[in-house]
Amino acid sequence: AQTVTQSQPEMSVQEAETVTLSCTYDTSESNYYLFWYKQPPSRQMILVIRQEAYKQQNATENRFSVNFQKAAKSFSLKISDSQLGDTAMYFCAFMTYNTDKLIFGTGTRLQVFP
Amino acid sequence: DVKVTQSSRYLVKRTGEKVFLECVQDMDHENMFWYRQDPGLGLRLIYFSYDVKMKEKGDIPEGYSVSREKKERFSLILESASTNQTSMYLCASKTVGRSNTEAFFGQGTRLTVV
Repeated sequence: AQTVTQSQPEMSVQEAETVTLSCTYDTSESNYYLFWYKQPPSRQMILVIRQEAYKQQNATENRFSVNFQKAAKSFSLKISDSQLGDTAMYFCAFMTYNTDKLIFGTGTRLQVFP
Repeated sequence: DVKVTQSSRYLVKRTGEKVFLECVQDMDHENMFWYRQDPGLGLRLIYFSYDVKMKEKGDIPEGYSVSREKKERFSLILESASTNQTSMYLCASKTVGRSNTEAFFGQGTRLTVV
């Protein structure tokens, strides 16, 4: 069975600083996707970034980037130049090639303060 | 703009009532999902559907059933609501295949069973 672990229930960062959220996962599959989703106070889940396991290059979307370590089964999210609007719950998620089901971690609540 | 709409943002029901949570998507997606979100537990999959009238149990199906009579609509049914079903419920949809892996979410229904 696949599992996703987020070991940081809460984090805080000052505006304009950089923060890294951790995620580890466990699977015996070799082909899969990893995601970070953001859930702001409005409750609308939004895809932040995705990574295909076969791609060695780390995904980047503007201020958001990942550090994907396949051998270590680690998938951390780095947010650069943090903004107040980044305040949200962040969920790490996993999906194998042969299923469309997302498996989520327990989430990290990020607070960005001025 | 893609849209997944859940019929209620907040719902209060009495113990023993039959409860229907409705979800509609306008993207012609084949797959639809119901998740339950609880603090410290993340999102857990209740049921998903990969086609009209087709369904599969997720990780926590006990006490729930689903209905998908039309492609765009996926209903979650609590046959006899109990207080331990007080939670946030999120609906999601996505297309099949590896060409587009993004899942789209509704804004959630916060259900309180009293």
